[in-house]
Amino acid sequence: AQSVTQLGSHVSVSEGALVLLRCNYSSSVPPYLFWYVQYPNQGLQLLLKYTSAATLVKGINGFEAEFKKSETSFHLTKPSAHMSDAAEYFCAVSGSRSSASKIIFGSGTRLSIRP
Amino acid sequence: EAGVTQFPSHSVIEKGQTVTLRCDPISGHDNLYWYRRVMGKEIKFLLHFVKESKQDESGMPNNRFLAERTGGTYSTLKVQPAELEDSGVYFCASSQERDFAYEQYFGPGTRLTVT
Repeated sequence: AQSVTQLGSHVSVSEGALVLLRCNYSSSVPPYLFWYVQYPNQGLQLLLKYTSAATLVKGINGFEAEFKKSETSFHLTKPSAHMSDAAEYFCAVSGSRSSASKIIFGSGTRLSIRP
Repeated sequence: EAGVTQFPSHSVIEKGQTVTLRCDPISGHDNLYWYRRVMGKEIKFLLHFVKESKQDESGMPNNRFLAERTGGTYSTLKVQPAELEDSGVYFCASSQERDFAYEQYFGPGTRLTVT
C-alpha cells in the first residue's frame, strides 16, 4: 500500500534561509508524488508533482523537490524563504498508477518564517 | 474559470443532527473526490465519483455518511446522525484527465464542528 511520512510537524526558518521539508514515501509501484500547500483560510494548492519524468521537479513560488528512489524520499526545498511562504505543506502519493486515483496525504508540516 | 466551491464554509451542529455539505466542481471535470481532515490528523480520502457513479468509496467511515452526485455535476455529502468524531474539515476536489498525469483541484473546505 502507498503511504508518505513527513518528518517534523512544525518547521521554523528565518526569512532568507533555506527551506527543507522532508518526505519519505512507500509505494509498491513507481509512484506519482505531490507537494500541496494550504495557506491560511484557503484550499489546497498543488506546488509540484513528480510523474516519472525528470527527478528534479520545479514548482511554483520557487519551490522544487527531488525524487530519490534509493532513499525513497521526495524532499521539498526553497533556497530563500519569504514571509509569504508561511503555510502548511503536505506531501502526497497517488493511490495507484491510475491517472484518476485518490491521493494519500502525509500528516502535514507547518512552516513558520521568522523575520 | 471558477474553481471548486464548497458550501457552507463552516457548520456547527449538535450531536445527532444532520448536516449536508455541498461541492461544485470545476465545470467539465468528470472526477470528483471527497476528503476529510480530522483535527491533528492527515487528510484522508473518503470517496471518488466519475460523473454520477461512485468509483471508489473505500474511505467512507460508516453508513452515517451518504454521498451523491446528481447528474454528474455537483455533489453532496450528508452526515446523519452526526457524531462528535465527525468534526473536521471536509475537502472536495475535482480533476479531468489530461494525458497520463492529472491534477486534483481542491476547494477551500467545509469546517464541521459537532458539539
